[in-house]
Amino acid sequence: SAVISQKPSRDICQRGTSLTIQCQVDSQVTMMFWYRQQPGQSLTLIATANQGSEATYESGFVIDKFPISRPNLTFSTLTVSNMSPEDSSIYLCSVELGDVPFFGSGTQLSVL
Amino acid sequence: AQSVTQPDIHITVSEGASLELRCNYSYGATPYLFWYVQSPGQGLQLLLKYFSGDTLVQGIKGFEAEFKRSQSSFNLRKPSVHWSDAAEYFCAVDDTDKLIFGTGTRLQVFP
Repeated sequence: SAVISQKPSRDICQRGTSLTIQCQVDSQVTMMFWYRQQPGQSLTLIATANQGSEATYESGFVIDKFPISRPNLTFSTLTVSNMSPEDSSIYLCSVELGDVPFFGSGTQLSVL
Repeated sequence: AQSVTQPDIHITVSEGASLELRCNYSYGATPYLFWYVQSPGQGLQLLLKYFSGDTLVQGIKGFEAEFKRSQSSFNLRKPSVHWSDAAEYFCAVDDTDKLIFGTGTRLQVFP
């Protein structure tokens, strides 16, 4: 398995501001994934981040709103930009080891 | 498009009772299937996975799941539920390096 650390674990933000979420993995991985879980909903993939290239975004998600960095094989950040209350969700980082996806503990974001 | 259906939004069982959570999938090839559990305010913990081979797979915390290709199902079972099993359970299929999740089943356990 993998140890995946996410920071912050939770935050309350004002609308119009931005929040950057960090994800650190204890082993080198090719791809890192960012998911969103809206209140009472299931998880939806936002984007896939490979080291050294631009992230690949799923339909309905754009780079201007959710910029992602992937500076090395153990770290990634997701920024939620120009936040609105609709962005209130849990954001989870995920990696695959041996074809098995593992998840961080998530960042619970509330936007006022 | 690939999809995962969990027909039961909410299930309530008594502690010590048996449990079965249903999961049906739609996938064109041989699926990689997973069950995850999420406690309130927490991330997802892997319970078990199916890639190939024996269709009955054992997981952590006494859970097991059976893959039935003919029914496109991957139901999760536990013979005796503990109060600490109360949580949200998600079934997922791996669709070329991304997970497609079901809508989840919330399990409530009464003493």
